[in-house]
Amino acid sequence: GAGVSQSPRYKVAKRGQDVALRCDPISGHVSLFWYQQALGQGPEFLTYFQNEAQLDKSGLPSDRFFAERPEGSVSTLKIQRTQQEDSAVYLCASRYQETQYFGPGTRLLVL
Amino acid sequence: RKEVEQDPGPFNVPEGATVAFNCTYSNSASQSFFWYRQDCRKEPKLLMSVYSSGNEDGRFTAQLNRASQYISLLIRDSKLSDSATYLCVVRRNEKLTFGTGTRLTIIP
Repeated sequence: GAGVSQSPRYKVAKRGQDVALRCDPISGHVSLFWYQQALGQGPEFLTYFQNEAQLDKSGLPSDRFFAERPEGSVSTLKIQRTQQEDSAVYLCASRYQETQYFGPGTRLLVL
Repeated sequence: RKEVEQDPGPFNVPEGATVAFNCTYSNSASQSFFWYRQDCRKEPKLLMSVYSSGNEDGRFTAQLNRASQYISLLIRDSKLSDSATYLCVVRRNEKLTFGTGTRLTIIP
């Protein structure tokens, strides 16, 4: 079946620009997670949804980062006024039982 | 100190050899433990869960020592296709915490 999909796959933004990253989880998966992976590092937790409720946003690095999942399926991660340190791969995952299934990620480069 | 620590490598190992990775975690309240595999420029994928009793999946064996807060992964008879980054992962409540990963290259 279809896995987790993310779009765009690549995004180049000028510093100060706003970006929106989309995640389509596996159909029926209630839990959805966003991670940030810097080069040479493991993924770092950003935020977690159960259905439409954002239950944990402790990993969001600043108030420029905002995530939503209004209908409990598709989720959007928005970064306002992007900075160079926001350059990373943004991974989305949905979970079934104990396993998180990751999407291919959005590679964001801020110039 | 990072919550999950791994040797980043790289480990360059001849084909057919046995290789072992270790990982330590600092939060004793961690509830579940995993090894994920990540190929270059790809997403992480679950390799196996890790239990105190030890578990084996083909050529892969994982072990958890809760008292020492130590997790291991053993790969026997390594194949070229085993070349990847291996991520040690712990779960507490809903949150997964990843190590930096250990890069493995199998040499023909």
